[in-house]
Amino acid sequence: KAGVTQTPRYLIKTRGQQVTLSCSPISGHRSVSWYQQTPGQGLQFLFEYFSETQRNKGNFPGRFSGRQFSNSRSEMNVSTLELGDSALYLCASSDRTGGGYTFGSGTRLTVV
Amino acid sequence: GENVEQHPSTLSVQEGDSAVIKCTYSDSASNYFPWYKQELGKRPQLIIDIRSNVGEKKDQRIAVTLNKTAKHFSLHITETQPEDSAVYFCAASIGRGGSSNTGKLIFGQGTTLQVKP
Repeated sequence: KAGVTQTPRYLIKTRGQQVTLSCSPISGHRSVSWYQQTPGQGLQFLFEYFSETQRNKGNFPGRFSGRQFSNSRSEMNVSTLELGDSALYLCASSDRTGGGYTFGSGTRLTVV
Repeated sequence: GENVEQHPSTLSVQEGDSAVIKCTYSDSASNYFPWYKQELGKRPQLIIDIRSNVGEKKDQRIAVTLNKTAKHFSLHITETQPEDSAVYFCAASIGRGGSSNTGKLIFGQGTTLQVKP
């Protein structure tokens, strides 16, 4: 079974630009969550989707948004990028909410 | 608020010794507690998890204990090996009430474990 696939692996963007990250969950998994990982703040929850519905949102500004498609693939978008958005963005999927999350390898975003 | 405190932040042990990492959570409705291991440059990997209806769970050299009354849970690694060296994260789910959970995990700040050969 293929794992959680995130693309791209690395991204360099300029301040003010926007970016879209993609996550393909493990086949059959309908729950997808996104996390931001930085050395200073650790792992912070961004959002959770289940069957195309956002079920939870973390404490991030409205510049951070996401969606989930009918095939469970998910995207997150960050608009008007700031230097502080530089981080590893991790996606995790599960076959149910509230447990057994498998992480992808992440997208390393650098904002310059 | 929603918070998970993890201690210690760094832990150095000799190969063969035991290692213990402790976490405290704030949301009394939390009922799912996973532990992740993250090696340098790699993704977090789920190594063991426990639900609140269980007090202890073991998987070979790894065990997790949960004290729901005190809102504490701990990871125990016995007979440590150099390949156990990594950053370990505890997490607690945010409850939705009753026995159900949201998909939101609150993570501790991580423990860097170094196992010296």
